[in-house]
Amino acid sequence: DQQVKQNSPSLSVQEGRISILNCDYTNSMFDYFLWYKKYPAEGPTFLISISSIKDKNEDGRFTVFLNKSAKHLSLHIVPSQPGDSAVYFCVGVRGAGSYQLTFGKGTKLSVIP
Amino acid sequence: NAGVMQNPRHLVRRRGQEARLRCSPMKGHSHVYWYRQLPEEGLKFMVYLQKENIIDESGMPKERFSAEFPKEGPSILRIQQVVRGDSAAYFCASSELATVNQPQHFGDGTRLSIL
Repeated sequence: DQQVKQNSPSLSVQEGRISILNCDYTNSMFDYFLWYKKYPAEGPTFLISISSIKDKNEDGRFTVFLNKSAKHLSLHIVPSQPGDSAVYFCVGVRGAGSYQLTFGKGTKLSVIP
Repeated sequence: NAGVMQNPRHLVRRRGQEARLRCSPMKGHSHVYWYRQLPEEGLKFMVYLQKENIIDESGMPKERFSAEFPKEGPSILRIQQVVRGDSAAYFCASSELATVNQPQHFGDGTRLSIL
């Protein structure tokens, strides 16, 4: 039962262009969404989060958009850099006091120089 | 490096043996979480521990798996009588508080291979 779905296993983008990573969720109880980034042979690292009461959160080159009615969120990276090449996980969390992270399967982003 | 430390990085076991995975949280973090990642899958929550207490083990298989976080020393994830299906990457994370506003910091994982 995939509560968080990342339907694109991979994405290739030219350096300097925009990367858009998509995520859909089925669990209406999620109150927060996180994005984690993972390099090969390393653990995931936290990137950015958004509360379900917001529709946008921005941090430097990274912006996350949330469309609650469509149960859809996306991560935008502008401009994309070769160092952004990694697997990106969309994560759902139920409640501010929750600790259980529900991960999607991830999207592998390749930024081509 | 004051990050989450996991060892060993790679562990090979034969079917029926025991596997012990260790995790030292970041300094100042008393909340530890274990996740498992099967090939081509996302990470799945297994267990949440605080010092000497298991808070939530709802994601952990009921048999053969156990976890502890003693007063002194690292957290241990123990798998008894391993089977081929236990082959996966096991990640430990820690946080200062168990809330979404305190992101979990992950270690680099232990890759367990069962022969």
